[in-house]
Amino acid sequence: QSVLTQPPSVSAAPGQKVTISCSGSSSNIVNNYVSWYQQLPGTAPKLLIYDDNKRPSGIPDRFSGSKSGTSATLGITGLQTGDEADYYCGTWDSTLSAVVFGGGTKLTVL
Amino acid sequence: QVQLQESGPGLVKPSQTLSLRCTVSGGSISSGSYYWSWIRQPAGKGLEWIGRIYFSGSTNYNPSLKSRVTISIDRSKNQFSLKLNSVTAADTAVYYCARDEGDWFDPWGQGTLVTVSS
Repeated sequence: QSVLTQPPSVSAAPGQKVTISCSGSSSNIVNNYVSWYQQLPGTAPKLLIYDDNKRPSGIPDRFSGSKSGTSATLGITGLQTGDEADYYCGTWDSTLSAVVFGGGTKLTVL
Repeated sequence: QVQLQESGPGLVKPSQTLSLRCTVSGGSISSGSYYWSWIRQPAGKGLEWIGRIYFSGSTNYNPSLKSRVTISIDRSKNQFSLKLNSVTAADTAVYYCARDEGDWFDPWGQGTLVTVSS
């Protein structure tokens, strides 16, 4: 059971928008920055969002991050078939004194 | 552009010690205020943070693994290493090394599969 809770799967049609939630608590998301990672099949995770809502260079603005209270959200607009991947949120947990990740969400672009 | 590459045995016997190395290229492991982390992923499952080391040598470990983990750094070789002792089948996973900015990980190595089996 992961400390951060993500939906196991989401799906949407090409060109549409999807959001992926990441639910935590006051010991993690509320007081620490959230990052998001994209893991394409058979590859290593890749940083998509850091510091809740910042994009590294090279990440298109179709990807966005937000946070409110004990939850964070990854948004992806203009879905493409190449966006099919597993997405993970991560943050520091002050009670555990450890980095924690969500269980991952599999995105299917129908 | 910093790149990371994991290396080490792909097969470890139960009760023995898993040892992996991460070689950093394109930048110095001692430059900047970076940590260097190990993260693992069992097949078909999510990510688990193992621990991190600062360029100074200070470490943080996941409490769930702390009693079995040692992370060390070799600045002369631009490498950092992971040792996980008393392994069981539950330690079978793809092991990743990553540059750790404190709040996020970037970049990641390509990962290396370690299987624990007799």
